[in-house]
Amino acid sequence: SSELTQDPAVSVALGQTVRITCQGDSLRSYYASWYQQKPGQAPVLVIYGKNNRPSGIPDRFSGSSSGNTASLTITGAQAEDEADYYCNSRDSSGNHHVFGTGTKVTVL
Amino acid sequence: QLQLQESGPGLVKPSETLSLTCTVSGGSISSSSYYWGWIRQPPGKGLEWIGSIYYSGSTYYNPSLKSRVTISVDTSKNQFSLKLSSVTAADTAVYYCACGRVFDYWGQGTLVTVSS
Repeated sequence: SSELTQDPAVSVALGQTVRITCQGDSLRSYYASWYQQKPGQAPVLVIYGKNNRPSGIPDRFSGSSSGNTASLTITGAQAEDEADYYCNSRDSSGNHHVFGTGTKVTVL
Repeated sequence: QLQLQESGPGLVKPSETLSLTCTVSGGSISSSSYYWGWIRQPPGKGLEWIGSIYYSGSTYYNPSLKSRVTISVDTSKNQFSLKLSSVTAADTAVYYCACGRVFDYWGQGTLVTVSS
């Protein structure tokens, strides 16, 4: 399967920890990358590879993977973390990309 | 720091061809480290990968769009382009260009509406 499935929405209290998951068969072979998208803006890469953050991304963002599931964890969520989050990876062929269905994170 | 900027018509008629260009600044499109891609997002919906082109010239397209999509590179202008033929209202979306080893860098996006 080339699909990546995410929970549609999660909520987290300010300062608490939230985990966003992405499930798909291809994740057994390929790492996921994670993107944050705020309303009206382009997506921003927040995690890639095993657990790498681009320059400027706070260290409260971390990534992990097990079996067919990749996870993005926000430890100590801030109000500015409220956004849509998408995972992205390759499909089983390795040549095509696929985005997850997206998760809306609300910070309470 | 790479910067990408999409350009092209904001309105396309049904059955016509959508054409967009992404201009790259701050680096060379000939970089062997990166691939260059197009992603779209219909209003209120999620991201959809359209296709990518690699420094080798190899192209890969979303199977659901493959018959209608062409992505090409113009190294002399440091640009890459998207053509999507036979468009319908379902192709109305914000179109993004992006590049990197993953999609590290993104353009701001451009809304393309398909309507007569």
